[in-house]
Amino acid sequence: AQKVTQAQTEISVVEKEDVTLDCVYETRDTTYYLFWYKQPPSGELVFLIRRNSFDEQNEISGRYSWNFQKSTSSFNFTITASQVVDSAVYFCALSEGSNDYKLSFGAGTTVTVRA
Amino acid sequence: KAGVTQTPRYLIKTRGQQVTLSCSPISGHRSVSWYQQTPGQGLQFLFEYFSETQRNKGNFPGRFSGRQFSNSRSEMNVSTLELGDSALYLCASSTGQGGSGANVLTFGAGSRLTVL
Repeated sequence: AQKVTQAQTEISVVEKEDVTLDCVYETRDTTYYLFWYKQPPSGELVFLIRRNSFDEQNEISGRYSWNFQKSTSSFNFTITASQVVDSAVYFCALSEGSNDYKLSFGAGTTVTVRA
Repeated sequence: KAGVTQTPRYLIKTRGQQVTLSCSPISGHRSVSWYQQTPGQGLQFLFEYFSETQRNKGNFPGRFSGRQFSNSRSEMNVSTLELGDSALYLCASSTGQGGSGANVLTFGAGSRLTVL
C-alpha cells in the first residue's frame, strides 16, 4: 500500500503566484517524521523541511510554509511568491519509527514556474 | 564542507553485466543509504549501512548488494543486469544516530545507469 500520496502530478504557475503541494500519508506508528524534498534537473534531492509527529505547529520559513494536520494525515507545503528557480519536482516523504532510516517517498509533483 | 559524492555520474551497461557504484558521504557521517529512482516505481529504498553494517534493506532481489568501508564510503553492486535496472541511483548520508527521522538525509547527485 502506498504510504505517501501526492495526488498532484504537475502544477504550472506564473511567477509570483503561490503554489500549494498536497501530501497525504499513512502510518500506524505514533512516532514518525515527514519531509519535503526538492529535486531540480541536476538530480540531487535537496532537503526543504521536516516535521515530527508530535509537533503540529505550522511554521513559515522564508517563502516556504507547511500545514501539518494529523487528523487528516496531511502535510501540505506552500511556496509563496514563486520564482522560476522553484521549478523542480517536489517529493513528500515519511520516516516511520519502526523502519529506521528508510524514507517512503510520494510519486512527486512537478512544479513549473513561468516567467 | 564537501557534499555527498557519487561516481560515476553516468554509465551504460548491457544486460547480464554487473555494475558497481560508489558513494562518499559527508565527512563525519556514518550512515549511507541507497535509493533507486525510476519513472515507473519512483523513489525506492534499497538499503542503509551504518558502521559497516547493513541495518535496513528494501524489497529488492539479491542481485542488489552493498557494503560500507571503515571510512564510511559505500558501494552498491548490481549483478546480472536487466533492462529494468536502468535508473538513477541516489546515495544519501547522515550522522546515523538519534533514531529514525531524527537525521536529515543529504543526497548526492546520483549515478544514472542505462542498461541496453
